[in-house]
Amino acid sequence: AQSVTQLDSQVPVFEEAPVELRCNYSSSVSVYLFWYVQYPNQGLQLLLKYLSGSTLVESINGFEAEFNKSQTSFHLRKPSVHISDTAEYFCAVESGYSTLTFGKGTMLLVSP
Amino acid sequence: DVKVTQSSRYLVKRTGEKVFLECVQDMDHENMFWYRQDPGLGLRLIYFSYDVKMKEKGDIPEGYSVSREKKERFSLILESASTNQTSMYLCASRPGQGGNTEAFFGQGTRLTVV
Repeated sequence: AQSVTQLDSQVPVFEEAPVELRCNYSSSVSVYLFWYVQYPNQGLQLLLKYLSGSTLVESINGFEAEFNKSQTSFHLRKPSVHISDTAEYFCAVESGYSTLTFGKGTMLLVSP
Repeated sequence: DVKVTQSSRYLVKRTGEKVFLECVQDMDHENMFWYRQDPGLGLRLIYFSYDVKMKEKGDIPEGYSVSREKKERFSLILESASTNQTSMYLCASRPGQGGNTEAFFGQGTRLTVV
C-alpha cells in the first residue's frame, strides 16, 4: 500500500526567509510524486511533479522539490517566500488505478 | 481553461436527509474521484470511477454511494446524512492514462449536517 507522511502540520516563517516542507513516501508501484497547493477557500492545484529523469523539479513560482530514492523523500523548498505563498501544501503519490494518495498537508504561514 | 465544477460551495442538510453532491468536468477525462478533506487528516478517497457506469471504492466508502451515468458527471450520494459526514468534499478528474498526469480539482463543497 502507498502512503505519504508530511511531518509538519504547520510551518510558520517570515517573509523572504527560506522554507522546506518535508514529505516521505512509501510505494510499491512506479514512483510518481506530486506537490499540490490549496489557497484559502479554493480547490487543489498542481505545483510540481516528479515522473522520471532529473531528481530536481521546479515550479514556475520558485518552488523546487528533490526526489531522493534512498531516503524515500520528496521535500519541497523555496529560497525566499512571499506572503502570497501562505497556503496548505499536500504531497501525493501515485497509487495505481489512476488514484493519488495524499499526505495530511502542511500549512505554510508566511508573516511580514 | 480546464474546469471541474462542483454544483454547490456550501450546503447545510439535516440528519437523515439524502444528499447529492454533483461534479462536472469539461476535459473529457476518463477518471473521476471524490475525496473528503478534514483538518489534520488531509484528503481521503471515498470513491472513484474510471469509466461511465464504473465505480470503485476508495479508502472510506462507508455511508456513501456514487453515480456516473455520463462521462462528464460524477455524483456523490449520502444516503442518510449524519453529523460525522460534515466535511469539505472535493471532486477531481484525471486523464485515462492516469499515472503521471495531473489531477484537476473542483473548488469543493463544504457540507454541514445538523
